[in-house]
Amino acid sequence: QLQLQASGPGLMKPSETLSLTCTVSGVSISSSSYYWGWIRQSPGKGLEWIGSVYYSGSTYYSPSLKSRVAVSVDTSKSQFSLKLSSVTAADTAVYYCASHSGLQYFDFWGQGTLVSVSS
Amino acid sequence: EIVLTQSPATLSLSPGERATLSCRASQSVSNYLAWYQQKPGQAPRLLIYDASNRATGIPARFSGSGSGTDFTLTIGSLEPEDFAVYYCQQRSNWYTFGQGTKLEIK
Repeated sequence: QLQLQASGPGLMKPSETLSLTCTVSGVSISSSSYYWGWIRQSPGKGLEWIGSVYYSGSTYYSPSLKSRVAVSVDTSKSQFSLKLSSVTAADTAVYYCASHSGLQYFDFWGQGTLVSVSS
Repeated sequence: EIVLTQSPATLSLSPGERATLSCRASQSVSNYLAWYQQKPGQAPRLLIYDASNRATGIPARFSGSGSGTDFTLTIGSLEPEDFAVYYCQQRSNWYTFGQGTKLEIK
């Protein structure tokens, strides 16, 4: 069974760079079947796709966040990562990592990690 | 960006009743629409993909229909565990989600 586990700092200050890592187990992160994505959920904006990565390193970003986002993959560690620069209070959310087969729907999700941005 | 509008915002029903949830897209998404269920403290769970296909392990009481801009999720006979928040999501133009419908016990 595919499992994902997100980890990262829970509290940040404005203007910092958010860094999160998702560890994949139960399937090879290099499987040609899966893409790996980040989604966040906040009370104000609901569920929002941030970006996705393929094991080859190909990346896909939300147009609204593209200027601040970088998603990468480390196949040797079975991990993929999210970096979001210049965070503000509006970036406060639960961040989920998820898989999506063939860049389609999000079929397996991690448990989510809360990131709060406050001075 | 494709905007998905879900209605109603809250639906109050009793176990055993039939639930009908709607999702309308701001432009056609063909059949590239999914439905998710989310319970408190949990991640969303994929229920329906490509408008009408049940995901693995999803009970037959969940069904989806629609194409273009108008979609429906139907829960045939509500079980106690079905009371949750439901989201639609499109993949026609990147990915966007609706704002959710809360299904609560009447």
